[in-house]
Amino acid sequence: DGGITQSPKYLFRKEGQNVTLSCEQNLNHDAMYWYRQDPGQGLRLIYYSQIVNDFQKGDIAEGYSVSREKKESFPLTVTSAQKNPTAFYLCASSPWVRDGTGELFFGEGSRLTVL
Amino acid sequence: AQTVTQSQPEMSVQEAETVTLSCTYDTSENNYYLFWYKQPPSRQMILVIRQEAYKQQNATENRFSVNFQKAAKSFSLKISDSQLGDTAMYFCAFLEALNTGKLIFGQGTTLQVKP
Repeated sequence: DGGITQSPKYLFRKEGQNVTLSCEQNLNHDAMYWYRQDPGQGLRLIYYSQIVNDFQKGDIAEGYSVSREKKESFPLTVTSAQKNPTAFYLCASSPWVRDGTGELFFGEGSRLTVL
Repeated sequence: AQTVTQSQPEMSVQEAETVTLSCTYDTSENNYYLFWYKQPPSRQMILVIRQEAYKQQNATENRFSVNFQKAAKSFSLKISDSQLGDTAMYFCAFLEALNTGKLIFGQGTTLQVKP
């Protein structure tokens, strides 16, 4: 089935460690996004990529890094510079936006807890 | 900057009744898209309904409909004949720019449907 796969579903990290969240899609979508979800704050955009080998910062990019070496993959690294990394992370994708309707397709999310 | 506000953190409704969730937004753009997404306890976000700003007719999808008031910058979601499966968090979202696909989300409204 086509969709977006995020892994791991749950992740625990010690302070000072980097961690990478995986996001893979087989929808042949051009654009991919990472959002962070915190209680009472909705979803906030971390990074997005409209095409392979290119990506842009979102509203809360500090302490995060991404890469887009393949169309299907958009991994997110939470670095030790991120001061409050405990959150729920959602990956999403969409077709090329100019031809699309703006709809995002989401993965099931990854819960990161810093101990 | 565009903002999206959902002023109702929590709501409840009896099964089979109707409930309306509120959303307001702020933008200087004239052409844009608005969305309602549902996030059930399983945490995977799914699209409920979409509205294009240039269309005056309110969008409907089965039991879900919107009241789009462009001048007032209001976009409420009406759920008719509420079902237990409608229990979820609902997010209003605004598509900032068609050429980026960046969605701006509200804080969310948790809806509890009671039997």
